[in-house]
Amino acid sequence: AQSVTQLGSHVSVSEGALVLLRCNYSSSVPPYLFWYVQYPNQGLQLLLKYTSAATLVKGINGFEAEFKKSETSFHLTKPSAHMSDAAEYFCAVRAFFTDFGNEKLTFGTGTRLTIIP
Amino acid sequence: GAGVSQSPSNKVTEKGKDVELRCDPISGHTALYWYRQRLGQGLEFLIYFQGNSAPDKSGLPSDRFSAERTGESVSTLTIQRTQQEDSAVYLCASSLASGGGRTDTQYFGPGTRLTVL
Repeated sequence: AQSVTQLGSHVSVSEGALVLLRCNYSSSVPPYLFWYVQYPNQGLQLLLKYTSAATLVKGINGFEAEFKKSETSFHLTKPSAHMSDAAEYFCAVRAFFTDFGNEKLTFGTGTRLTIIP
Repeated sequence: GAGVSQSPSNKVTEKGKDVELRCDPISGHTALYWYRQRLGQGLEFLIYFQGNSAPDKSGLPSDRFSAERTGESVSTLTIQRTQQEDSAVYLCASSLASGGGRTDTQYFGPGTRLTVL
């Protein structure tokens, strides 16, 4: 079974500082990994995804994530935080069903990012 | 183009009543997913549709929950005899396809916030 663990349910950083949101995965097969962002009262929006190509994945809004197999990690980073980055961030791993070949996403519990002016 | 839409955006109901939640996926998307997001928790997978069939119902929490999809478009999630623990945001997502090793991006709707009194 696949799962993800997000360390830190709340993270606060100053505007302009580095953003680092941690995600570790567990998967019995090579994983596909995702980061989604949820702004208040909105649905989830895909930030970026790793699908076994380049290990450093660049996404929208200046975010990027690096897949590290040795550490089973897929941490999300942004060099300089902006006030508009305040949101909840979810890491997810693809769970693959071999019988129907269908897929679902298994999500972490989320990290709420607060930006301090 | 139009994204995934859900209705109602908010629903308050009394314990024991039945509720229906609606999801309109992006036109042409054959795969449709329902998730539940309880307060302070990650997303729980409920059910997945490929076309009009539901090969994976593993996430439905009890037999009070059911879902259907007609015409490879609209889906309804029905909760019978609602309980207070059903209070959550119910999110719908759609993707072009699923399975066969493909990992098409899931696009999420804004969700329906259900409150059971």
